[in-house]
Amino acid sequence: KAGVTQTPRYLIKTRGQQVTLSCSPISGHRSVSWYQQTPGQGLQFLFEYFSETQRNKGNFPGRFSGRQFSNSRSEMNVSTLELGDSALYLCASSFTSGAYPYYGYTFGSGTRLTVV
Amino acid sequence: GENVEQHPSTLSVQEGDSAVIKCTYSDSASNYFPWYKQELGKRPQLIIDIRSNVGEKKDQRIAVTLNKTAKHFSLHITETQPEDSAVYFCAASMPQKLVFGQGTRLTINP
Repeated sequence: KAGVTQTPRYLIKTRGQQVTLSCSPISGHRSVSWYQQTPGQGLQFLFEYFSETQRNKGNFPGRFSGRQFSNSRSEMNVSTLELGDSALYLCASSFTSGAYPYYGYTFGSGTRLTVV
Repeated sequence: GENVEQHPSTLSVQEGDSAVIKCTYSDSASNYFPWYKQELGKRPQLIIDIRSNVGEKKDQRIAVTLNKTAKHFSLHITETQPEDSAVYFCAASMPQKLVFGQGTRLTINP
């Protein structure tokens, strides 16, 4: 069974540019969540998508956006990049079911974004 | 607010000794508590989880305990080995997300 696939693995961008990251969940998983990981801040929740709908959003500026397609694949976009956006961006997929919707929450390997 | 506090931030133990990491959560509705291990340069990987209707769960050298009344849960690693060195994250389920603790860097000294 294929895991969660994130592309690209590494990315270097210049301040002011925009970037799109992709996440393909485990087959059958309909929930995709995105996290930003930095050394000082741990894993910060960005947003969660289920059946093409954003159900929750973290405390990030509007420059961070995302979407989910009908096949559950998800993309996140960051516009007008700032130096502070340099981080590892992780997505996780899960099989939402009943009272324990995040059972089997599995992370991808992440995209390491460097803004210069 | 929705937060998970994790302690300690760093932990160093001798090989063979036990390690304990503790977390507290704020949302009394949280019902699922996973623990993740992240080795350097790798993805966080689920090592054990516990649901709110269970007080303790064990898997070989790893165990997790949950006290719902006090809203805290702990990870216990016994007979630690060098390969246990990593960053460990606890998490608690909240509406449409998992909220993670800040992580504990565990170092096993030979």
